[in-house]
Amino acid sequence: KNEVEQSPQNLTAQEGEFITINCSYSVGISALHWLQQHPGGGIVSLFMLSSGKKKHGRLIATINIQEKHSSLHITASHPRDSAVYICAASLIGNQFYFGTGTSLTVIP
Amino acid sequence: KAGVTQTPRYLIKTRGQQVTLSCSPISGHRSVSWYQQTPGQGLQFLFEYFSETQRNKGNFPGRFSGRQFSNSRSEMNVSTLELGDSALYLCASSSAGGGYTFGSGTRLTVV
Repeated sequence: KNEVEQSPQNLTAQEGEFITINCSYSVGISALHWLQQHPGGGIVSLFMLSSGKKKHGRLIATINIQEKHSSLHITASHPRDSAVYICAASLIGNQFYFGTGTSLTVIP
Repeated sequence: KAGVTQTPRYLIKTRGQQVTLSCSPISGHRSVSWYQQTPGQGLQFLFEYFSETQRNKGNFPGRFSGRQFSNSRSEMNVSTLELGDSALYLCASSSAGGGYTFGSGTRLTVV
């Protein structure tokens, strides 16, 4: 069993749609991270959460510590949002566990 | 400010050789962590260094090692390369309590 589970694995959306990507984890964490990886490999850290909710532009990340669940929402999706989104759990001591990623394609 | 710099960007090595990858963190960041990404296993944590000390290590064989210098730059070394070591190697730097900034990675191909 993976310590971090993401769903869905693949997601195709029409431009403008509201998108949700889910992440569940089974370990005690110090923080939950959402990463974005574009073709070519570069990774950008979108959010680091230990509680509640964070918003950056059209991106919103939430976490429920009791349920060990986090969601990444994209409002008014755009083709440039097409990327792989990866959820990662960091434990005390900075050990990381990664989800397998959600490949998002936004069609114009 | 400058981002995290990884060198080289691409590397081709032969089985049995060794390789050293370099990571220069964002100025002021004292923590550097390393990750391996393969199509089969996804992203996996290798190790993390803080103030020249390895703080944590993932589940990789001893052929994978690293170090950090007094200026926080870090190197990762893989000895006796195997075909399965072909991967994208990423490093990230962070400050205390801050988020992580990733480098663009080094793509290693072992032939």
